Amino acid sequence: GENVEQHPSTLSVQEGDSAVIKCTYSDSASNYFPWYKQELGKRPQLIIDIRSNVGEKKDQRIAVTLNKTAKHFSLHITETQPEDSAVYFCAASNNAGNMLTFGGGTRLMVKP
Amino acid sequence: EPEVTQTPSHQVTQMGQEVILRCVPISNHLYFYWYRQILGQKVEFLVSFYNNEISEKSEIFDDQFSVERPDGSNFTLKIRSTKLEDSAMYFCASSERSGIYGYTFGSGTRLTVV
Repeated sequence: GENVEQHPSTLSVQEGDSAVIKCTYSDSASNYFPWYKQELGKRPQLIIDIRSNVGEKKDQRIAVTLNKTAKHFSLHITETQPEDSAVYFCAASNNAGNMLTFGGGTRLMVKP
Repeated sequence: EPEVTQTPSHQVTQMGQEVILRCVPISNHLYFYWYRQILGQKVEFLVSFYNNEISEKSEIFDDQFSVERPDGSNFTLKIRSTKLEDSAMYFCASSERSGIYGYTFGSGTRLTVV
């Protein structure tokens, strides 16, 4: 089955700096890679996703890159703000199944 | 914006008791899922459900677990005889099409087994 590894487990940045979170996956059949933001005690919320037919996707301050050959994908947050502080999860899925396999999560702390 | 609704938000139960967690998916969604998250850990897939049957399940989803769509709106997860290690946040999710198009998660039910 799919295995998703996520690094780092914690990340502390100054407000205004960029943050990068990286994930690797094992199943070459995976073709959908969403990122979720989870605030304490709340539901995971989809913030951006990418499919395997593109290498990069951007939405305002958030971007995701995908390297299918190396089987890794990354989340980039620019101009971080204190409200970006949360746990971020990457995930992977493939067409044949509809389950998401999540990474272990990254706790992002943005210091004002 | 449509939401996935889960009840109760918190359930405390004694070990060995049966619990039913309830979810109301978004009305035009066809695919339904249960995930769990043990405190401080990753979100783990339990089961997916489509067309009134289980389409996929994980190793976690053993004989103690069952799912049901008893009517046109509710989607339930039953744990037959709860164990201490079943304590977790349980998230329901739904999607209009197959999960690769993104889920909407519910707000979760925190299950505490004592």
